[in-house]
Amino acid sequence: DGGITQSPKYLFRKEGQNVTLSCEQNLNHDAMYWYRQDPGQGLRLIYYSQIVNDFQKGDIAEGYSVSREKKESFPLTVTSAQKNPTAFYLCASSRSPDTSEAFFGQGTRLTVV
Amino acid sequence: KNQVEQSPQSLIILEGKNCTLQCNYTVSPFSNLRWYKQDTGRGPVSLTIMTFSENTKSNRRYTATLDADTKQSSLHITASQLSDSASYICVVSPYSSNTGKLIFGQGTTLQVKP
Repeated sequence: DGGITQSPKYLFRKEGQNVTLSCEQNLNHDAMYWYRQDPGQGLRLIYYSQIVNDFQKGDIAEGYSVSREKKESFPLTVTSAQKNPTAFYLCASSRSPDTSEAFFGQGTRLTVV
Repeated sequence: KNQVEQSPQSLIILEGKNCTLQCNYTVSPFSNLRWYKQDTGRGPVSLTIMTFSENTKSNRRYTATLDADTKQSSLHITASQLSDSASYICVVSPYSSNTGKLIFGQGTTLQVKP
């Protein structure tokens, strides 16, 4: 059963701590993305990767880091440098970046306490 | 600046009624325009995807239209059901973007009441 899986669904973090969000896909997609969603706003791109061992900053990359060591996995680390990390984080993948449908995971809701 | 604007921001309709959601964009040129449905607390799910040369695309009770001249798209929902209650997001892919830099609208929240 192919798909894209994010974990955990809910995550709580204390201020000053780094936290890593997991994203795994078994769709054999080359491209993977991380988005942030805040109430009343469109999704904003944090980082994207078109191929293994390569990734690029999106529009709001400050305070975040990623890695793409395997085709299937694209974890996102929210660092203590991110000033307002509480948000809903969505991971997506697509066969190719331009014309293919993007498949989204179910999201991780991160809350800083 | 490339933008995607959706209207209305929110909408309440009775079950069984039809409705139309609007999307205006300034992205030009663009490769394709997509409509997604997002249930509360879940990831978006694709409804339709249209290239710049297509005028209409249907998926069950959902019909998307595209007017590239006026840079407008609409999503028409026929015979609404309670399960249609969700946020509907219009997404545009710039033509020269091979980076997956999709431009998202802020969404229209639809509530279908019995």
